[in-house]
Amino acid sequence: GENVEQHPSTLSVQEGDSAVIKCTYSDSASNYFPWYKQELGKRPQLIIDIRSNVGEKKDQRIAVTLNKTAKHFSLHITETQPEDSAVYFCAPSRGGFQKLVFGTGTRLLVSP
Amino acid sequence: DADVTQTPRNRITKTGKRIMLECSQTKGHDRMYWYRQDPGLGLRLIYYSFDVKDINKGEISDGYSVSRQAQAKFSLSLESAIPNQTALYFCATLEDRARSGSNNEQFFGPGTRLTVL
Repeated sequence: GENVEQHPSTLSVQEGDSAVIKCTYSDSASNYFPWYKQELGKRPQLIIDIRSNVGEKKDQRIAVTLNKTAKHFSLHITETQPEDSAVYFCAPSRGGFQKLVFGTGTRLLVSP
Repeated sequence: DADVTQTPRNRITKTGKRIMLECSQTKGHDRMYWYRQDPGLGLRLIYYSFDVKDINKGEISDGYSVSRQAQAKFSLSLESAIPNQTALYFCATLEDRARSGSNNEQFFGPGTRLTVL
């Protein structure tokens, strides 16, 4: 099965700084790479995703980059704001199989 | 997301009791999932269902059972609850967008916090 690791497990930044979270996976057949955000006491919600035929995708202050050869993908948040504080999960999968394996999460704390 | 609902939202029970957690969705999705979340362990898949006749075990199905009563309803049961089943449980649905070329977003319910004493 898929082994998924996220680093770092916790990340503290000052407001306005950038944050990068890395997700490493083991299944070379994975072709769908989403990131979910879970605010305290809330449900996880998809914030950005990418397929394996694309190397990078950007949506305003967030971006995801993929390195299929090295089997890792990263979440980039620029100009961080306090409302970015949350736990972020990666969940690589084979799109056709549609069963997500979640990483253990990265707790991001953005201090004003 | 009010389209995926879970009941109850909180439950405290005792060891050995049978517990049922319910999930309903109005999104019209065929695929439904049950996850459990423990601190530091992320979300782990318990069971999933691709339609009312299809039930599959996830990575941690021992001690749990499920029932897919209809496309819109997927229930999780703990036949005899034990303290290490204390966790936050999430139901999720998924729209099959593979044919359209779009990606597969899972939609989560609000969660059920279960405490087994």
